[in-house]
Amino acid sequence: NAGVTQTPKFQVLKTGQSMTLQCAQDMNHEYMSWYRQDPGMGLRLIHYSVGAGITDQGEVPNGYNVSRSTTEDFPLRLLSAAPSQTSVYFCASRRTGATEAFFGQGTRLTVV
Amino acid sequence: GENVEQHPSTLSVQEGDSAVIKCTYSDSASNYFPWYKQELGKRPQLIIDIRSNVGEKKDQRIAVTLNKTAKHFSLHITETQPEDSAVYFCAASNTGTASKLTFGTGTRLQVTL
Repeated sequence: NAGVTQTPKFQVLKTGQSMTLQCAQDMNHEYMSWYRQDPGMGLRLIHYSVGAGITDQGEVPNGYNVSRSTTEDFPLRLLSAAPSQTSVYFCASRRTGATEAFFGQGTRLTVV
Repeated sequence: GENVEQHPSTLSVQEGDSAVIKCTYSDSASNYFPWYKQELGKRPQLIIDIRSNVGEKKDQRIAVTLNKTAKHFSLHITETQPEDSAVYFCAASNTGTASKLTFGTGTRLQVTL
């Protein structure tokens, strides 16, 4: 059982480049979320989805886009990377009616 | 929106002592309060949670208490061991939107021998 899988684990981007962080879960969870983790600031919600075709903004959505075409996948897109987006990104999923969120292993992104 | 404050930011205890981490929340609609443990370089993992209809919950050496009136909740770890060393995060949400967890800023717990 793979759980929540994120790719890549590490990435270095130049300012202005674009990329997609991948997140996939095999638990048939309806809810999926993206968080960023910065030192001293905990985990902050970027975007979330309550099911295929439905997404919404979290606390810090600027500079990021998401889509949810399938239950399994929830990619996070950076259209024009900025140094302020240097962070560790975590994807999480949860089953409807449950409360525990399961996290992926994280993607460490550096924008230079 | 919800705001969660967590204290202390760092905590050092000797092995065998107890550790207490405290959090406060702002939204009275929040009714679910999980605690996550994150070891260095790893993903956050749920260690215990509590719903607002319960005042205390225990799981072996770990307990969580909730005071709804004061809007604060605490994590208690007894008989600490070196493997308890990690960063601990509290969080709060409304179970209707539990994908929207609001996290505290974390507490780095160091258990020394």
